[in-house]
Amino acid sequence: KAGVTQTPRYLIKTRGQQVTLSCSPISGHRSVSWYQQTPGQGLQFLFEYFSETQRNKGNFPGRFSGRQFSNSRSEMNVSTLELGDSALYLCASRPTGSSYNEQFFGPGTRLTVL
Amino acid sequence: AQSVTQLDSQVPVFEEAPVELRCNYSSSVSVYLFWYVQYPNQGLQLLLKYLSGSTLVKGINGFEAEFNKSQTSFHLRKPSVHISDTAEYFCAVSVSSGGSNYKLTFGKGTLLTVNP
Repeated sequence: KAGVTQTPRYLIKTRGQQVTLSCSPISGHRSVSWYQQTPGQGLQFLFEYFSETQRNKGNFPGRFSGRQFSNSRSEMNVSTLELGDSALYLCASRPTGSSYNEQFFGPGTRLTVL
Repeated sequence: AQSVTQLDSQVPVFEEAPVELRCNYSSSVSVYLFWYVQYPNQGLQLLLKYLSGSTLVKGINGFEAEFNKSQTSFHLRKPSVHISDTAEYFCAVSVSSGGSNYKLTFGKGTLLTVNP
């Protein structure tokens, strides 16, 4: 099976712009989670989608949003970008019916905000 | 809420030496425990996991970890490291039941540098 894919891999934006990141989970996985990784804060949970519904959300401002499509692909959007949004954004998918939350991570999208 | 503390931010070792990366967690409920590895410019790869049963867990690439409930620890070990083990290692927890098992809570990571 192909792994989790994320596009684009690298992105440079300026403050105030918005950005959309894309994630395709492993075939058959219906749960997709997003994490933000920064040197200062480490890995932090953003949100989780399952069957096109946001099930859970981390402690991030409303500028961070996402959605999931019927084919389980997910997008994450950040509006009004700030310098502090520069980070590696990781997407992870989870097998349907998994009882122990083993998540499979993509390579990430590195976002740089200038 | 759960929390994870990785006691060493950086661990330098020589090739073929043993290594231990330390992880302590805090939780009021039962948890699952994981170790992930991240190579430069890559995502996270699962090394091993503890769900239940034997407290000694073996993973990929010769790594193993021991769950110690009384000390709330889950230290990662390898008896002989290689240059290719140079990477950042993350310890993570997830609650084992209930509605909060959707997310992983990670430690800050330990950068393992293997020198020749």
